[in-house]
Amino acid sequence: NAGVTQTPKFRILKIGQSMTLQCTQDMNHNYMYWYRQDPGMGLKLIYYSVGAGITDKGEVPNGYNVSRSTTEDFPLRLELAAPSQTSVYFCASSSPGTVNTEAFFGQGTRLTVV
Amino acid sequence: KQEVTQIPAALSVPEGENLVLNCSFTDSAIYNLQWFRQDPGKGLTSLLLIQSSQREQTSGRLNASLDKSSGRSTLYIAASQPGDSATYLCAVVGNKLTFGTGTQLKVEL
Repeated sequence: NAGVTQTPKFRILKIGQSMTLQCTQDMNHNYMYWYRQDPGMGLKLIYYSVGAGITDKGEVPNGYNVSRSTTEDFPLRLELAAPSQTSVYFCASSSPGTVNTEAFFGQGTRLTVV
Repeated sequence: KQEVTQIPAALSVPEGENLVLNCSFTDSAIYNLQWFRQDPGKGLTSLLLIQSSQREQTSGRLNASLDKSSGRSTLYIAASQPGDSATYLCAVVGNKLTFGTGTQLKVEL
């Protein structure tokens, strides 16, 4: 049981470049989330999805885009990377309101924009 | 909007001491509350999950309680050890998964 898998683990981007952070879960969870965590700070919600085809903004969505074409995948897209997007990104999944309500997290993607 | 607060922000205790970490939330319409541990530079490790119908959960030296009506949860750590040093985060699951800012715990020899 792989849980939540994020790729890549590390990435260095130049200003203005774009990239997609991948997130896949194999637990058939309907909810998926993307967070960023700046050094010494808490987790801030970027986007979340309550099911395939449905996404919604969190606290800090500017500069990011998401899609949810399947239950399993929830990629996060950075179109024009900026130094302010240097952070650690975490993907999570859960199924609140069901028997198995625990939230599971990926190992994180450490992104540096230079 | 759900707001989650953790007190204290930082805590330093001698080894062996029992301690309590606090988490409060503003909207009681939650599915569950989950406590996590995060070591420096690492990901999140789930410690305990309390469903909204439960009042407490125990795992080893950890005990978490939930009072939904007052919007509070506590994490009790018994007989603390240096290996318990980490940041502890509570997360409330409602329509979103909302995190507190964490309590940074240091257990000294």
